[in-house]
Amino acid sequence: QKEVEQDPGPLSVPEGAIVSLNCTYSNSAFQYFMWYRQYSRKGPELLMYTYSSGNKEDGRFTAQVDKSSKYISLFIRDSQPSDSATYLCAMSIVQGGSEKLVFGKGTKLTVNP
Amino acid sequence: ETGVTQTPRHLVMGMTNKKSLKCEQHLGHNAMYWYKQSAKKPLELMFVYSLEERVENNSVPSRFSPECPNSSHLFLHLHTLQPEDSALYLCASSQDLWSRSYEQYFGPGTRLTVT
Repeated sequence: QKEVEQDPGPLSVPEGAIVSLNCTYSNSAFQYFMWYRQYSRKGPELLMYTYSSGNKEDGRFTAQVDKSSKYISLFIRDSQPSDSATYLCAMSIVQGGSEKLVFGKGTKLTVNP
Repeated sequence: ETGVTQTPRHLVMGMTNKKSLKCEQHLGHNAMYWYKQSAKKPLELMFVYSLEERVENNSVPSRFSPECPNSSHLFLHLHTLQPEDSALYLCASSQDLWSRSYEQYFGPGTRLTVT
């Protein structure tokens, strides 16, 4: 069983749609939960991070963590063509005295005008 | 831009060549990372450096040799690579390894093709 599971898609939605992106995980030792966004021919950039179960909102983006179900989500409201990118979930874990990130495969999202 | 630059952006090399990838960060960070990104696979952590000291080598073959001469620069020396090593190689940095290391800043990557 992989530590972090993420459906690679691709996912195609019309402009203005609500997008839901999800990841599941198996390791209870994960501490922080992140969403990175990666545009074509660019490196990933941190979009949001959360620590505890619950919701965190930033503009049109909402990150949700459910530690009991080992499930995280990213919701995008009123999606725009500029949101077209690959979204990577990532989780942090302390191993060997330092913190490292474990990533999902990424979900490729296309928002059509 | 994220403050992390990588050169070259594209590299094609034969299996017998030797080449180097360069990464530079202008953020004053103390930790730097090399990742490999292959199609349909998660980012794979290769090496971690903290204050120029290697703290992690994630079972990476010896044909990949990292070097960190100072906290702003990171190199990945490549020799006798295999076609399956073709991938996007990403450099990242974070403030340090123990505080907000989940907040990593990535460069644009080097697209490597091994022929």
